[in-house]
Amino acid sequence: DIQMTQSPSSLSASVGDRVTITCRASQYISRGLAWYQQKPGKAPELLIYTASSLQSGVPSRFSGSGSGTDFTLAISSLQPEDFATYFCQQTNSFPWTFGQGTKVDIK
Amino acid sequence: QLQLQESGPGLVKPSETLSLTCIVSGDSISATTYYWGWIRQPPGKGLEWIGNVYYSGTTYSHPSLKSRLTISVDTAKNQFSLTLTSVTAADTAVYFCARVPVTSGWHFDSWGQGTLVTVSS
Repeated sequence: DIQMTQSPSSLSASVGDRVTITCRASQYISRGLAWYQQKPGKAPELLIYTASSLQSGVPSRFSGSGSGTDFTLAISSLQPEDFATYFCQQTNSFPWTFGQGTKVDIK
Repeated sequence: QLQLQESGPGLVKPSETLSLTCIVSGDSISATTYYWGWIRQPPGKGLEWIGNVYYSGTTYSHPSLKSRLTISVDTAKNQFSLTLTSVTAADTAVYFCARVPVTSGWHFDSWGQGTLVTVSS
């Protein structure tokens, strides 16, 4: 199975900060990478697919980059509603696997 | 507007069978541009992909679950299902169903709210 490693596991930030989360795959996955946001007690919501495509309805402050094994999710200016846990997922090969998650909370 | 709703028992005894159904509304499960998937999340932990099914019945399943897992589709009822046999406490999780577009990369673009299944005697 392809292992997905996110860093950091958690971070504290303030409203307006720029935040970046990285995701590293244990093998080459091309651009088969998605990012999700999950709030407590809720289902995950898709933010980014194919590494850098913004899902319809997602604010433009979210962006994704990378290919191969190294990927980044960036939030350009953190908003109060962005405090949540973020997961990456590789869909290049089965079995699909997720990163362990990055919790973003208020500093 | 697409909606997915998981249904099934919230409590299953060890060694018994877990059965869940995802009812799809607002879209046809027979659409050729989508697969339909299951994901689970143990309490306080990360996400685990379980498997996907196409309207034709083609499935992809997690190898670690494959011997216990059946994923099926019922196009007449516009729903798909998951059956997991011989469950243990390790199968306790929130189970989500989701839609998988296949024309723009693979990912889960719409999710059900999830249903908690507890395995306990």
